Amino acid sequence: NAGVMQNPRHLVRRRGQEARLRCSPMKGHSHVYWYRQLPEEGLKFMVYLQKENIIDESGMPKERFSAEFPKEGPSILRIQQVVRGDSAAYFCASSPIDTQYFGPGTRLTVL
Amino acid sequence: AQKITQTQPGMFVQEKEAVTLDCTYDTSDPSYGLFWYKQPSSGEMIFLIYQGSYDQQNATEGRYSLNFQKARKSANLVISASQLGDSAMYFCAMREDGAGGTSYGKLTFGQGTILTVHP
Repeated sequence: NAGVMQNPRHLVRRRGQEARLRCSPMKGHSHVYWYRQLPEEGLKFMVYLQKENIIDESGMPKERFSAEFPKEGPSILRIQQVVRGDSAAYFCASSPIDTQYFGPGTRLTVL
Repeated sequence: AQKITQTQPGMFVQEKEAVTLDCTYDTSDPSYGLFWYKQPSSGEMIFLIYQGSYDQQNATEGRYSLNFQKARKSANLVISASQLGDSAMYFCAMREDGAGGTSYGKLTFGQGTILTVHP
């Protein structure tokens, strides 16, 4: 049973470009969460999705960030017009119930 | 107030000894869950142990146990027989279930404790 998969593992973008981060949950998990980890900090919640629905986006910045979890395919976290402050590790987690299992993360570097 | 507080930025332990990592939490929800994750230098987040607020007994998973003291709102992680591979950052996290009691909510993380195991 494969774990949570994220790709790419590393992503480099120049300021103003778009970043797309993908997350495939564990088999049988229908709940997906995105978190961001800035250097030397703990993880901060961004958004919680179920298939085709955003359940809680209270941690998402109001502009430039969006997330989706379509009926088919992975969950996508999209960052438009990236800025240097977006450089961070972005983690996806999935859950059947209770416990969230994390993917390996995508390390975004904005030049 | 911080929802999750880890007061130890760094801890050192000798190999084969036990170590306790502190975590206190703050919530008014009657139903919640407490988690510990390990983040080695490679960066991934590894689930270690879970304790539900209604669980009567302390959770245990191999060498990991969670010392859950509900009245004190603490959820300390105890690692027995430390190994060199235990050197990592450790995060305590909480899920608050709200009035509906759902267990699918977001996690709030502490700032982490860096554990170093000496040979």
